[in-house]
Amino acid sequence: EAQVTQNPRYLITVTGKKLTVTCSQNMNHEYMSWYRQDPGLGLRQIYYSMNVEVTDKGDVPEGYKVSRKEKRNFPLILESPSPNQTSLYFCASSPRGSLRIYNEQFFGPGTRLTVL
Amino acid sequence: QQQVKQSPQSLIVQKGGISIINCAYENTAFDYFPWYQQFPGKGPALLIAIRPDVSEKKEGRFTISFNKSAKQFSLHIMDSQPGDSATYFCAAPIGGSYIPTFGRGTSLIVHP
Repeated sequence: EAQVTQNPRYLITVTGKKLTVTCSQNMNHEYMSWYRQDPGLGLRQIYYSMNVEVTDKGDVPEGYKVSRKEKRNFPLILESPSPNQTSLYFCASSPRGSLRIYNEQFFGPGTRLTVL
Repeated sequence: QQQVKQSPQSLIVQKGGISIINCAYENTAFDYFPWYQQFPGKGPALLIAIRPDVSEKKEGRFTISFNKSAKQFSLHIMDSQPGDSATYFCAAPIGGSYIPTFGRGTSLIVHP
């Protein structure tokens, strides 16, 4: 089954304790992206990746890191989480033909993160 | 921080009514205009999308209209059903970027 998986689905942690949220897709998509969703603010992009070893900042990258060592995986790293990073996080992937041609994004089920 | 302008923020309609959600974009060079649907506890999923070579696309009760001169595209839900109650997002790039940015979402409630 074609899908985007995220782990963990729920996480409660404390301020300053490093954590990683994993994202994996089995559709051989070039483009992957991380979003956070907060009430009234919609989906805001954190980081995106055009392909392996190519990553770039989105709209709200502060406090986050990513890596893209393999095409299928795009982990989100919070080196020192803070309470303002409490949010619902989504990973997404998409096939990409060329710079101007974007297609459907496939979203994971989400990760609910609470930082105390 | 710039965002794609989506309106209204919330919408309540009666069963059988028409729901209309609008999205304004900036980058006229972009070529893909989608609407996503999100149910509580789930990730967004593509509902319908349009390329700018056509002005309208219909899939069942869902129609997307594209107005290039107004830089706007809209989602019309005909004969709205309670099962359509969800949050809807449009996506389009802002400024000179080709990376899509999502609107803030529209919470649709359809009363039985």
